[in-house]
Amino acid sequence: GENVEQHPSTLSVQEGDSAVIKCTYSDSASNYFPWYKQELGKRPQLIIDIRSNVGEKKDQRIAVTLNKTAKHFSLHITETQPEDSAVYFCAATSNNAGNMLTFGGGTRLMVKP
Amino acid sequence: DTEVTQTPKHLVMGMTNKKSLKCEQHMGHRAMYWYKQKAKKPPELMFVYSYEKLSINESVPSRFSPECPNSSLLNLHLHALQPEDSALYLCASSQTTGSNYGYTFGSGTRLTVV
Repeated sequence: GENVEQHPSTLSVQEGDSAVIKCTYSDSASNYFPWYKQELGKRPQLIIDIRSNVGEKKDQRIAVTLNKTAKHFSLHITETQPEDSAVYFCAATSNNAGNMLTFGGGTRLMVKP
Repeated sequence: DTEVTQTPKHLVMGMTNKKSLKCEQHMGHRAMYWYKQKAKKPPELMFVYSYEKLSINESVPSRFSPECPNSSLLNLHLHALQPEDSALYLCASSQTTGSNYGYTFGSGTRLTVV
């Protein structure tokens, strides 16, 4: 089955700095890579996703890059704000695996004002 | 309606109790999921329903019993739980299981077993 590794497990940045979270996956058939943000006590919310036919996708301050050859994908947050503080989960799915989400272990991002 | 609604938000139950968690969506999604999330951990898949049929059971103990009465509703019946079952239980839905679409998660039920 799929295995998704996520690094770092915690990340502390100063407000206004950039944050980068990296994930690797094991199943070369995986073709969809969503990122979820989970604030304390709340639901995971989809913030951005990328499909395997695209190398990069951007939405305002958030971008995701995908390297299929190396089987890794990354989340980039620019101009971080205190409200970006949360746990971020990467995930991967494959049509071969019936679209089951396999999550990374999560990254706790802290943005210091 | 673009939400998944879960009730109750909080539940405290004894080890001999029987209770049910409920999940509802009206987005026309035909895949629904139950996840269990422990503190500081990612969600773990428990069950998958596709077109109201159970398609995946991730070796979940029988004290958890899922039910999908119709395409909009998903229940999780709980009986004889253990304290280690205390967790956040998340329901999610997606268009289908056959294509890669993002999941929409409910707010979860925070379950405490005493």
